Amino acid sequence: DAKTTQPNSMESNEEEPVHLPCNHSTISGTDYIHWYRQLPSQGPEYVIHGLTSNVNNRMASLAIAEDRKSSTLILHRATLRDAAVYYCILRGLGGANSKLTFGKGITLSVRP
Amino acid sequence: NAGVTQTPKFQVLKTGQSMTLQCAQDMNHEYMSWYRQDPGMGLRLIHYSVGAGITDQGEVPNGYNVSRSTTEDFPLRLLSAAPSQTSVYFCASTGQGPNYGYTFGSGTRLTVV
Repeated sequence: DAKTTQPNSMESNEEEPVHLPCNHSTISGTDYIHWYRQLPSQGPEYVIHGLTSNVNNRMASLAIAEDRKSSTLILHRATLRDAAVYYCILRGLGGANSKLTFGKGITLSVRP
Repeated sequence: NAGVTQTPKFQVLKTGQSMTLQCAQDMNHEYMSWYRQDPGMGLRLIHYSVGAGITDQGEVPNGYNVSRSTTEDFPLRLLSAAPSQTSVYFCASTGQGPNYGYTFGSGTRLTVV
């Protein structure tokens, strides 16, 4: 499985933008970049995914480097509810490659 | 639209007992997975299925069995519970192909005494 590397933790101030980085230097051409988050005492929640182009949805934006070896999840205005563990995961094409393998993720703390 | 439904939410077992954790999804998803999460740890894949009748092992399959007789259901069986299986169990499902996000259930908190 292609692996991702994320910092262990980050801190942010409420109502400020947050940029969560992820490195995936061994990504293959058919791997999608997925982001999930896990709020305290809850199951993981899908946030966003992309292949090559930057993506936006109501929760966040995903910026993907031109060489696809890194990506950044952007929360435009952090709230206290955004404090969670964020996982960057590569999802491949078909069969066993399509399963999600979770790493340790980034623990995001948001200061009031 | 219920999404992914897991039952029970909480369970206490005695060592050696067996039980089945239920998982059902109503989104017609091909892929389903079971994960366990120990306190302060990340999620580890137990078993997964790419469609009805097809299952495979993940990282930590020992002590667990699965079957997938229908698209909707993916039960996880603990054959003989051990204290090391005390954990929170999450079921997840997704459509075919990597251009779909996974939907997770709310989890089953299992304690084995």
